[in-house]
Amino acid sequence: GDSVTQMEGPVTLSEEAFLTINCTYTATGYPSLFWYVQYPGEGLQLLLKATKADDKGSNKGFEATYRKETTSFHLEKGSVQVSDSAVYFCALSDRGKSTFGDGTTLTVKP
Amino acid sequence: NAGVTQTPKFQVLKTGQSMTLQCAQDMNHNSMYWYRQDPGMGLRLIYYSASEGTTDKGEVPNGYNVSRLNKREFSLRLESAAPSQTSVYFCASSAASGRVDTQYFGPGTRLTVL
Repeated sequence: GDSVTQMEGPVTLSEEAFLTINCTYTATGYPSLFWYVQYPGEGLQLLLKATKADDKGSNKGFEATYRKETTSFHLEKGSVQVSDSAVYFCALSDRGKSTFGDGTTLTVKP
Repeated sequence: NAGVTQTPKFQVLKTGQSMTLQCAQDMNHNSMYWYRQDPGMGLRLIYYSASEGTTDKGEVPNGYNVSRLNKREFSLRLESAAPSQTSVYFCASSAASGRVDTQYFGPGTRLTVL
Protein backbone atom coordinates (compact mmCIF):
# COMPACT_ATOMS: atom_id res chain seq x y z
CA GLY A 1 0.00 0.00 0.00
CA ASP A 2 0.88 3.67 -0.06
CA SER A 3 3.22 5.06 2.58
CA VAL A 4 4.90 8.32 3.61
CA THR A 5 8.19 8.56 5.49
CA GLN A 6 9.31 11.78 7.15
CA MET A 7 12.61 12.61 8.75
CA GLU A 8 12.46 11.96 12.45
CA GLY A 9 12.32 14.89 14.80
CA PRO A 10 12.32 16.87 16.80
CA VAL A 11 14.11 19.60 14.88
CA THR A 12 15.39 22.64 16.78
CA LEU A 13 16.65 25.70 14.92
CA SER A 14 17.59 29.26 15.69
CA GLU A 15 15.54 32.06 14.20
CA GLU A 16 16.53 32.88 10.59
CA ALA A 17 18.09 29.44 10.03
CA PHE A 18 17.38 27.38 6.91
CA LEU A 19 14.85 24.57 7.27
CA THR A 20 14.61 21.27 5.45
CA ILE A 21 12.24 18.49 6.44
CA ASN A 22 12.63 15.40 4.29
CA CYS A 23 9.67 13.43 2.99
CA THR A 24 9.65 10.40 0.71
CA TYR A 25 6.70 8.36 -0.43
CA THR A 26 5.72 5.10 -2.06
CA ALA A 27 2.55 4.87 -4.11
CA THR A 28 1.23 2.52 -6.73
CA GLY A 29 -0.65 5.27 -8.53
CA TYR A 30 0.05 8.90 -9.34
CA PRO A 31 -0.58 10.78 -6.10
CA SER A 32 -1.00 14.40 -5.14
CA LEU A 33 1.36 15.51 -2.37
CA PHE A 34 0.72 17.77 0.60
CA TRP A 35 2.31 19.40 3.60
CA TYR A 36 0.04 20.09 6.56
CA VAL A 37 0.96 22.09 9.67
CA GLN A 38 -0.41 21.66 13.19
CA TYR A 39 0.04 24.49 15.68
CA PRO A 40 -0.21 23.68 19.41
CA GLY A 41 -3.73 22.80 20.47
CA GLU A 42 -5.15 22.96 16.96
CA GLY A 43 -6.07 20.65 14.11
CA LEU A 44 -4.02 20.16 10.96
CA GLN A 45 -4.28 22.74 8.22
CA LEU A 46 -3.03 22.68 4.66
CA LEU A 47 0.31 24.43 4.18
CA LEU A 48 0.96 23.65 0.51
CA LYS A 49 0.35 21.04 -2.15
CA ALA A 50 1.55 19.82 -5.55
CA THR A 51 -0.45 17.74 -7.95
CA LYS A 52 2.04 16.57 -10.59
CA ALA A 53 5.72 15.93 -11.14
CA ASP A 54 7.99 19.00 -10.99
CA ASP A 55 5.21 21.15 -9.52
CA LYS A 56 6.33 23.45 -6.73
CA GLY A 57 3.93 24.21 -3.92
CA SER A 58 4.56 27.35 -1.89
CA ASN A 59 2.97 29.29 0.95
CA LYS A 60 4.15 31.61 3.75
CA GLY A 61 7.78 31.26 2.59
CA PHE A 62 7.66 27.45 2.61
CA GLU A 63 8.31 25.51 -0.58
CA ALA A 64 8.28 21.88 -1.70
CA THR A 65 8.86 20.36 -5.14
CA TYR A 66 7.23 17.15 -6.35
CA ARG A 67 10.15 14.94 -7.44
CA LYS A 68 8.84 11.83 -9.12
CA GLU A 69 12.29 10.43 -9.93
CA THR A 70 13.30 10.40 -6.25
CA THR A 71 9.71 10.00 -4.90
CA SER A 72 10.30 12.95 -2.60
CA PHE A 73 8.56 16.14 -1.47
CA HIS A 74 10.98 17.87 0.88
CA LEU A 75 9.79 20.98 2.75
CA GLU A 76 12.11 24.00 2.81
CA LYS A 77 12.12 27.52 4.18
CA GLY A 78 14.97 29.96 3.84
CA SER A 79 14.58 31.78 7.15
CA VAL A 80 12.42 30.35 9.93
CA GLN A 81 10.66 32.39 12.60
CA VAL A 82 9.62 31.55 16.13
CA SER A 83 6.02 31.51 14.88
CA ASP A 84 6.88 28.55 12.60
CA SER A 85 7.19 26.29 15.63
CA ALA A 86 4.69 23.51 14.96
CA VAL A 87 4.32 19.90 13.84
CA TYR A 88 4.61 19.33 10.08
CA PHE A 89 2.98 16.40 8.31
CA CYS A 90 3.73 15.17 4.82
CA ALA A 91 0.83 13.41 3.11
CA LEU A 92 -0.30 11.99 -0.20
CA SER A 93 -3.70 11.39 -1.72
CA ASP A 94 -4.39 8.88 -4.44
CA ARG A 95 -7.67 7.53 -5.75
CA GLY A 96 -9.66 9.02 -2.90
CA LYS A 97 -7.44 7.81 -0.07
CA SER A 98 -5.01 9.89 2.01
CA THR A 99 -1.88 8.67 3.79
CA PHE A 100 -0.03 10.78 6.38
CA GLY A 101 3.52 10.68 7.69
CA ASP A 102 4.17 10.58 11.42
CA GLY A 103 4.90 14.29 11.69
CA THR A 104 8.05 16.27 12.46
CA THR A 105 8.12 18.68 15.39
CA LEU A 106 9.92 21.96 14.68
CA THR A 107 10.97 24.31 17.46
CA VAL A 108 12.46 27.67 16.54
CA LYS A 109 14.36 29.52 19.26
CA PRO A 110 14.86 33.30 19.27
CA ASN B 1 -18.26 29.56 7.13
CA ALA B 2 -17.19 27.56 10.20
CA GLY B 3 -15.46 24.71 8.29
CA VAL B 4 -15.29 21.58 10.44
CA THR B 5 -16.60 21.79 13.99
CA GLN B 6 -16.24 19.22 16.76
CA THR B 7 -17.87 18.85 20.15
CA PRO B 8 -16.89 18.54 22.89
CA LYS B 9 -13.40 20.01 23.02
CA PHE B 10 -12.44 18.16 26.19
CA GLN B 11 -13.90 15.11 27.91
CA VAL B 12 -12.96 12.92 30.85
CA LEU B 13 -14.58 9.49 31.11
CA LYS B 14 -14.33 6.59 33.51
CA THR B 15 -13.56 3.14 32.17
CA GLY B 16 -16.72 1.55 30.81
CA GLN B 17 -18.62 4.78 30.18
CA SER B 18 -19.92 5.61 26.74
CA MET B 19 -19.94 8.83 24.77
CA THR B 20 -20.43 10.23 21.30
CA LEU B 21 -18.13 12.71 19.61
CA GLN B 22 -19.91 15.00 17.20
CA CYS B 23 -18.56 16.43 13.96
CA ALA B 24 -20.15 18.69 11.37
CA GLN B 25 -18.90 20.37 8.21
CA ASP B 26 -20.48 23.15 6.19
CA MET B 27 -18.41 22.83 3.00
CA ASN B 28 -20.74 20.35 1.24
CA HIS B 29 -17.98 17.76 1.26
CA ASN B 30 -18.66 14.18 0.26
CA SER B 31 -16.14 12.42 2.49
CA MET B 32 -15.61 12.58 6.24
CA TYR B 33 -13.02 10.94 8.49
CA TRP B 34 -12.21 10.22 12.11
CA TYR B 35 -8.58 10.05 13.23
CA ARG B 36 -6.87 9.62 16.53
CA GLN B 37 -3.52 11.21 17.31
CA ASP B 38 -1.23 9.73 19.92
CA PRO B 39 2.27 10.95 20.82
CA GLY B 40 4.87 9.54 18.45
CA MET B 41 2.28 7.72 16.33
CA GLY B 42 1.07 10.38 13.96
CA LEU B 43 -2.52 10.20 12.72
CA ARG B 44 -4.33 6.89 12.57
CA LEU B 45 -7.58 6.52 10.66
CA ILE B 46 -10.42 5.05 12.72
CA TYR B 47 -13.36 5.16 10.30
CA TYR B 48 -14.28 7.08 7.21
CA SER B 49 -17.35 7.80 5.14
CA ALA B 50 -16.78 8.20 1.43
CA SER B 51 -20.29 9.51 0.88
CA GLU B 52 -23.59 9.95 2.69
CA GLY B 53 -24.93 6.57 3.68
CA THR B 54 -21.62 4.70 3.60
CA THR B 55 -19.02 4.02 6.28
CA ASP B 56 -15.84 1.93 6.25
CA LYS B 57 -13.23 0.81 8.75
CA GLY B 58 -9.86 2.42 8.83
CA GLU B 59 -6.64 1.31 10.47
CA VAL B 60 -7.84 1.18 14.11
CA PRO B 61 -11.65 0.65 14.27
CA ASN B 62 -11.89 -1.65 17.29
CA GLY B 63 -13.88 -0.15 20.16
CA TYR B 64 -15.56 2.49 17.99
CA ASN B 65 -18.69 2.90 15.93
CA VAL B 66 -19.69 5.68 13.57
CA SER B 67 -22.81 7.16 12.04
CA ARG B 68 -23.03 9.34 8.96
CA LEU B 69 -26.22 11.09 9.98
CA ASN B 70 -26.47 13.18 6.81
CA LYS B 71 -24.04 14.86 4.44
CA ARG B 72 -22.98 17.38 7.10
CA GLU B 73 -22.60 15.22 10.21
CA PHE B 74 -20.41 12.26 11.14
CA SER B 75 -20.36 11.03 14.74
CA LEU B 76 -17.98 8.69 16.55
CA ARG B 77 -19.21 6.56 19.44
CA LEU B 78 -17.25 4.83 22.16
CA GLU B 79 -19.56 2.19 23.63
CA SER B 80 -17.36 1.17 26.58
CA ALA B 81 -14.39 3.46 27.00
CA ALA B 82 -10.97 2.04 27.90
CA PRO B 83 -7.79 3.83 29.04
CA SER B 84 -6.18 2.85 25.70
CA GLN B 85 -8.67 5.20 24.03
CA THR B 86 -7.16 8.23 25.74
CA SER B 87 -6.15 10.35 22.77
CA VAL B 88 -6.87 13.43 20.72
CA TYR B 89 -9.58 12.79 18.14
CA PHE B 90 -9.79 14.73 14.90
CA CYS B 91 -12.61 14.84 12.42
CA ALA B 92 -11.82 15.83 8.84
CA SER B 93 -13.69 16.26 5.58
CA SER B 94 -12.79 16.45 1.91
CA ALA B 95 -14.52 17.03 -1.38
CA ALA B 96 -13.01 13.75 -2.64
CA SER B 97 -13.49 14.77 -6.25
CA GLY B 98 -10.54 13.52 -8.28
CA ARG B 99 -6.88 13.13 -7.31
CA VAL B 100 -6.41 16.33 -5.33
CA ASP B 101 -8.06 15.46 -2.05
CA THR B 102 -7.27 18.20 0.46
CA GLN B 103 -8.53 17.35 3.93
CA TYR B 104 -9.94 19.97 6.27
CA PHE B 105 -9.61 19.25 9.97
CA GLY B 106 -11.60 20.21 13.02
CA PRO B 107 -9.94 21.54 16.20
CA GLY B 108 -9.96 18.16 17.94
CA THR B 109 -11.46 16.54 21.03
CA ARG B 110 -9.08 15.75 23.87
CA LEU B 111 -10.37 12.61 25.58
CA THR B 112 -9.03 11.13 28.81
CA VAL B 113 -10.27 7.75 30.04
CA LEU B 114 -9.49 7.03 33.67
